[in-house]
Amino acid sequence: KNQVEQSPQSLIILEGKNCTLQCNYTVSPFSNLRWYKQDTGRGPVSLTIMTFSENTKSNGRYTATLDADTKQSSLHITASQLSDSASYICVVSIINTGTASKLTFGTGTRLQVTL
Amino acid sequence: KAGVTQTPRYLIKTRGQQVTLSCSPISGHRSVSWYQQTPGQGLQFLFEYFSETQRNKGNFPGRFSGRQFSNSRSEMNVSTLELGDSALYLCASSLAWGDGYEQYFGPGTRLTVT
Repeated sequence: KNQVEQSPQSLIILEGKNCTLQCNYTVSPFSNLRWYKQDTGRGPVSLTIMTFSENTKSNGRYTATLDADTKQSSLHITASQLSDSASYICVVSIINTGTASKLTFGTGTRLQVTL
Repeated sequence: KAGVTQTPRYLIKTRGQQVTLSCSPISGHRSVSWYQQTPGQGLQFLFEYFSETQRNKGNFPGRFSGRQFSNSRSEMNVSTLELGDSALYLCASSLAWGDGYEQYFGPGTRLTVT
């Protein structure tokens, strides 16, 4: 069964600190992995998208890594800001074979950045 | 360029009623996907439309249906509402159907069933 597991479920850090969120997946055949940021009450916004051959991608203070061999990804946030408080969702896409759903979503990590 | 818009933003309905939600994709985008998001289940895929045809469907009962119009706008309908249908319904658009196309999400419609 295709699954995406994220850890931790929630995290509280002080402003200015770094943090790393984890994503493990069993999705196959793998197409790409995406990280989304979702503010409360809003739709998710894409941060990064990585294909099988990419092992790191950055978007400002956000850096995602991918190890396709171990089926693990991480999202590192540098010098956190209050505006980083949100849910971060890992989404893995399977190769489009006409199955019911191309995307498998993790349940997200809820990050709270405090003063 | 305007983003994905969804209407209404908030909706309160009673059990047994039906509801129709609307989604206008980004101009030029031809694929629209619908998702249900609840605190317990996270994001779950409902269906995807491209060129007015349903291309993929998630594991939801037949009470959930959708359609896409020639201008790529999409609607989803939920009949005989149940309390468990209370959720944030998100619409996402992309240029086309297939892997690698970035999905852009709308703000969602918050549906409460009482």
